[in-house]
Amino acid sequence: EPEVTQTPSHQVTQMGQEVILRCVPISNHLYFYWYRQILGQKVEFLVSFYNNEISEKSEIFDDQFSVERPDGSNFTLKIRSTKLEDSAMYFCASSQEERGYTFGSGTRLTVV
Amino acid sequence: AQKVTQAQTEISVVEKEDVTLDCVYETRDTTYYLFWYKQPPSGELVFLIRRNSFDEQNEISGRYSWNFQKSTSSFNFTITASQVVDSAVYFCALSEADTGRRALTFGSGTRLQVQP
Repeated sequence: EPEVTQTPSHQVTQMGQEVILRCVPISNHLYFYWYRQILGQKVEFLVSFYNNEISEKSEIFDDQFSVERPDGSNFTLKIRSTKLEDSAMYFCASSQEERGYTFGSGTRLTVV
Repeated sequence: AQKVTQAQTEISVVEKEDVTLDCVYETRDTTYYLFWYKQPPSGELVFLIRRNSFDEQNEISGRYSWNFQKSTSSFNFTITASQVVDSAVYFCALSEADTGRRALTFGSGTRLQVQP
């Protein structure tokens, strides 16, 4: 069964550093997403991406965040100048037209 | 604005008991999708079911069943004869479709503990 692949599975970074979280969505999917889950809390939507541009974003997705699809397979989330409160599990997801969202296994980001 | 409420924060049952997880949603859209996801201790999100707003048929898949009632804006999930492997956090989620939005709004989750 096709999978969404996320790397790395765990990343530790110092406060103020930039991090890039990587995702390889399912190859024939058209819509790509990032979600965040702070430990013990609910999953929150960050951003959706379609046709090489952001189609929707939440209030959480401020200027600190950016997304990119640098080539035909990768989808990245960049966090500039990380803060302690950015520590969370970040999930990538992709979907086709019919809204069958497939999530990756997540990247646990720890900001120290 | 859309909202998903899972009032049960934690449920503990003994193996083989039946358990129902409640989900109540709010939306002004006429077309929307409802989902259930399972998050085991390993942390990944496992898709369980998707329902669109025009399909109110209940669904059964093995020990799992779902009861969708538009009249009460509820989409409840029942596990029959629970097993220890069912222990996880379960999330209900909503995706509104009238305006083409695709973001999933999640509830706060229900932690299910199944004791042997």
